[in-house]
Amino acid sequence: DGGITQSPKYLFRKEGQNVTLSCEQNLNHDAMYWYRQDPGQGLRLIYYSQIVNDFQKGDIAEGYSVSREKKESFPLTVTSAQKNPTAFYLCASSGGASGSYEQYFGPGTRLTVT
Amino acid sequence: SQQGEEDPQALSIQEGENATMNCSYKTSINNLQWYRQNSGRGLVHLILIRSNEREKHSGRLRVTLDTSKKSSSLLITASRAADTASYFCATGIYNTDKLIFGTGTRLQVFP
Repeated sequence: DGGITQSPKYLFRKEGQNVTLSCEQNLNHDAMYWYRQDPGQGLRLIYYSQIVNDFQKGDIAEGYSVSREKKESFPLTVTSAQKNPTAFYLCASSGGASGSYEQYFGPGTRLTVT
Repeated sequence: SQQGEEDPQALSIQEGENATMNCSYKTSINNLQWYRQNSGRGLVHLILIRSNEREKHSGRLRVTLDTSKKSSSLLITASRAADTASYFCATGIYNTDKLIFGTGTRLQVFP
């Protein structure tokens, strides 16, 4: 059963704590992406990776960090430096550069920081 | 920054009616994609239209692209209550590996 999994579905943290969101795919896709979605808004790109051990900042990378040690995995850490971390986080993958390929999305993680 | 702007922001129709959503963008694109999002869920890819294409069909979906006006439209024919969702356009930008998403249209289809 191929696809993208994100865990957990809901995550609650206290302000000042770092938190890591998991994203795994078994689609054998090279490219993976992290987006943030705020209520009633579109998606904003946080980080993306086209290949293992390489990643690039998106439009809103401040306060976030990522790693890409394995093709299947692209975890996102929300650090205490992120001013407004409460949001819905979506991970996606694609078979190639998104200029030419569709993206496949995971179910999302809703993070609440109080 | 968000490149795509959808219009209208929200749309309510009765089952059986057609729903039309529009997307405008600002820069040159490689392709334009439409996605659907049910409330609180991930996005699902609907259709991709390349910059050299003008129209594409998939089931009850019809997408048009006018690169001279930098705009696209998504038509859902004979809508069903199950079509209730938010619909986003996303543009694949030349010389980048990114998709830029619009702000979305919330479609409500009443039975």
